[in-house]
Amino acid sequence: AQKITQTQPGMFVQEKEAVTLDCTYDTSDPSYGLFWYKQPSSGEMIFLIYQGSYDQQNATEGRYSLNFQKARKSANLVISASQLGDSAMYFCAMREGLNGANNLFFGTGTRLTVIP
Amino acid sequence: GAVVSQHPSWVICKSGTSVKIECRSLDFQATTMFWYRQFPKQSLMLMATSNEGSKATYEQGVEKDKFLINHASLTLSTLTVTSAHPEDSSFYICSARGGQGTDTQYFGPGTRLTVL
Repeated sequence: AQKITQTQPGMFVQEKEAVTLDCTYDTSDPSYGLFWYKQPSSGEMIFLIYQGSYDQQNATEGRYSLNFQKARKSANLVISASQLGDSAMYFCAMREGLNGANNLFFGTGTRLTVIP
Repeated sequence: GAVVSQHPSWVICKSGTSVKIECRSLDFQATTMFWYRQFPKQSLMLMATSNEGSKATYEQGVEKDKFLINHASLTLSTLTVTSAHPEDSSFYICSARGGQGTDTQYFGPGTRLTVL
C-alpha cells in the first residue's frame, strides 16, 4: 500500500483565495511525522510545515496550516490568501518512527497553479 | 533555517564517464544524509541513506556499485554516478536532517544530470 497518497495531480486557485491540498497516509507506527514541501520550477525542495503524530494542535506557519485528522489519517495543507508565487508542486511526506535517520516517504505531488 | 548546498547544479557528460555530486550542510552537522532522484513530473525516490563514517544503506533496486556514496564528514556527502548512461539522466537531490534535534529534513537545490 502507498504510504502517502495525494489524489489531486493538479489544482487551480484564484489569487487571494484559500486552497486545500489533500494528503492521506498509511502507517501502523504510532509515532510518525508529516511534512509538506514546495518544489518550484527551479527544483529545490522547500520545507513548509511539520506535524508530529502526538501534536495536539494543528501546525501553522504563516499562511500555511495543516489540517491534521488523525482518525482519518489525513494531513491536508491549507494555503490561505494564495499568491502567484505559490504556483509550484507540493509534496506531502511522512517519516515513521522517532528516529530522524528514518527516510521520508513522498506522495506523488500536486501541482498548484494560482490564477491572477 | 538549515542550509544544504549541492554542487554542481547541473552537469552534462558523455556516456561512460563518471560524475561526482557534492552535498554539504552549511550551518549544521548532519550525521545522516539522504540521496533522492526525481524523474520529470514524478515524485522523489529515495536512493540511499548515508551515515557519516559508515557505509550507505541503499534502497532495493539501486545499484551500489553504480551509485557510490561517501559520507566522509558531518557536513559532506558525495554521490558518484559511475559509467553514466543516458538512462541515468535525472534530477538528483540530497537532504540532511536538521541540526539541534529537529525532525525536519532540509533539501539541497538539486543537481540536474544529463548523460549524452
